[in-house]
Amino acid sequence: SQQGEEDPQALSIQEGENATMNCSYKTSINNLQWYRQNSGRGLVHLILIRSNEREKHSGRLRVTLDTSKKSSSLLITASRAADTASYFCATDADDNDMRFGAGTRLTVKP
Amino acid sequence: NAGVTQTPKFQVLKTGQSMTLQCAQDMNHEYMSWYRQDPGMGLRLIHYSVGAGITDQGEVPNGYNVSRSTTEDFPLRLLSAAPSQTSVYFCASSYGGGPEAFFGQGTRLTVV
Repeated sequence: SQQGEEDPQALSIQEGENATMNCSYKTSINNLQWYRQNSGRGLVHLILIRSNEREKHSGRLRVTLDTSKKSSSLLITASRAADTASYFCATDADDNDMRFGAGTRLTVKP
Repeated sequence: NAGVTQTPKFQVLKTGQSMTLQCAQDMNHEYMSWYRQDPGMGLRLIHYSVGAGITDQGEVPNGYNVSRSTTEDFPLRLLSAAPSQTSVYFCASSYGGGPEAFFGQGTRLTVV
């Protein structure tokens, strides 16, 4: 079954605004990753945060992880039209199987 | 550097037909996997392999077979296609089982 669940399912913002997506999961994890999927394309790895980390930055991306709440958030600052895509969290537990959520569809309007 | 290559990109099958989805990677990754993506369900793991000659089942293996005779190739076989197998299929690979996975562009399969 799915491990991660993203919230919201869909998000529409104006260019320049910040976008925040959340991911909740059910079991203990080794790490959590965020992926982006442009329409009709494969997934592209964005960022990984390990279970002993609380926050990580990469360019305009900021990821937080709260293992006590089993949740993570992805913040995209100063969004651009090119950020329009679906975003997925994926959790990696001891079974080495990555489990994906259903994704958040982000639309950034120019 | 091609990364992960999937063929075909699109396929229409009739119920009961069989076919093989091809996946090849040129990164010498040990770990390869197949996912299916359905609307509102995210990606679900079908089968995976931790190295040549080793395969294992994922979350939704029924109706699919895999083999791993070489490090580079990991084909997915549909033995008798059913409409429920209409989906987009993604192959992924990673070094040593993770954590960062590299995905192919996907195969959109329709079973009528």
